[in-house]
Formats: sequence, C-alpha cells, structure tokens
Amino acid sequence: AQKVTQAQTEISVVEKEDVTLDCVYETRDTTYYLFWYKQPPSGELVFLIRRNSFDEQNEISGRYSWNFQKSTSSFNFTITASQVVDSAVYFCALKQENYGQNFVFGPGTRLSVLP
Amino acid sequence: NAGVMQNPRHLVRRRGQEARLRCSPMKGHSHVYWYRQLPEEGLKFMVYLQKENIIDESGMPKERFSAEFPKEGPSILRIQQVVRGDSAAYFCASSSTGQGLEKLFFGSGTQLSVL
Repeated sequence: AQKVTQAQTEISVVEKEDVTLDCVYETRDTTYYLFWYKQPPSGELVFLIRRNSFDEQNEISGRYSWNFQKSTSSFNFTITASQVVDSAVYFCALKQENYGQNFVFGPGTRLSVLP
Repeated sequence: NAGVMQNPRHLVRRRGQEARLRCSPMKGHSHVYWYRQLPEEGLKFMVYLQKENIIDESGMPKERFSAEFPKEGPSILRIQQVVRGDSAAYFCASSSTGQGLEKLFFGSGTQLSVL
C-alpha cells in the first residue's frame, strides 16, 4: 500500500519564525519519488522539490530545506525565516516506481504566517 | 510558453446536469492526470491518460464519471447527472513522459459547484 501522512493539519507562525512541515510515507517499493507542492490562496499547485529514494542527501534552496530520512520514512520540509507570502497549503506526494502511475498526495498542511 | 490550461475556472451546475471540464496539457506533454480536491481535503487521484488511452482509472467513480484524451484537442473530464457531492475543485496535471522522475505541472483547477 502507498500512503502519505501529514499529521499537521494547520500551523500558524509569526513572520521570521522557522517552521517544519512533517511528511511520513508508506511504500513497498525500493524505488520511489517524493515531492512537495505549494498551493497558495490562488489555487494552483506549484512544484517545490522532487527526490528519489536513492538520494538521501538533504537539500537547501534559499529559505527552504528538506530532510529526507529513509530510516523513518520521512521527508520533512523546513522554511527558515518565514514570510507572509509563504502562507499556503503544502502537499507532500509519493510516486512509486512499480505501482501504477498516479501520484499519491498527503492531506496537506495549511501554513499561516502572521505579520 | 503556456502552462497547463484548464477551463472553465468556475462551473455551476444544477443537480442532474452534465459537467464537462477541459484540460490542455503543457506543450509537448502527452500524459494527463486528473485529481479531485474536496473542501479541506487533499488531492485524490482520479485517472491517468495518455493520448487516446486510459492508463489508470483506479480513482475514478464507477458511475457517471468518464475521461478522455483524444488525439487532437484537450482532455475532457465528464460528469453526468451531477450531485451535490461532486462539488469540488478538479485539477489537471501533465507530464512529458509519465516516468518516475517526472514532476507534474498543474493547472489552476476548475471549481465545480452543484446547486
């Protein structure tokens, strides 16, 4: 079975605080891909990052960083020095190599960054 | 360099009517995915299509829903005899190959409201 869990339904932080969004996944495959998407209030989904299961190196992109740990099946997302424009719903997603072609999305975490 | 185009942006239907949602993938993309997002919920996979073929429709309700991606023209998600429970945002996404490393490019969605 494939499943993505985002335990945090909603998070509120004050601008400039750091915030971490959790993502835990389940898969039987050894080859799989993990994604984060951002859905701002305007509604469209914006791609943020893609990782494959063989690359556990953490990644940093500006204020964004991702911590991939296969041992705990987690792919957490941290925003450093959050800004109001970061307010959005963030989705973690899983795509398995050998189980269909669909991407499985988590339920999303709504992040509100207050000024 | 248009992205994934969905129309209409908003669609209002009365119970029992038909809803037709259109999706034009990004130029050069031949793989289309449809997802449904219910209020306060994540994205649920519905169907994955390539040109003229349905590859995976495991997320599609068995009745009233159909999808196509003809050789020419946009992909169409069709909902017959709509009911209130069909009210949701329907997102289309496309990719160039459908292979693991591919990321999805999403459209802005169609918000379907059933009165």
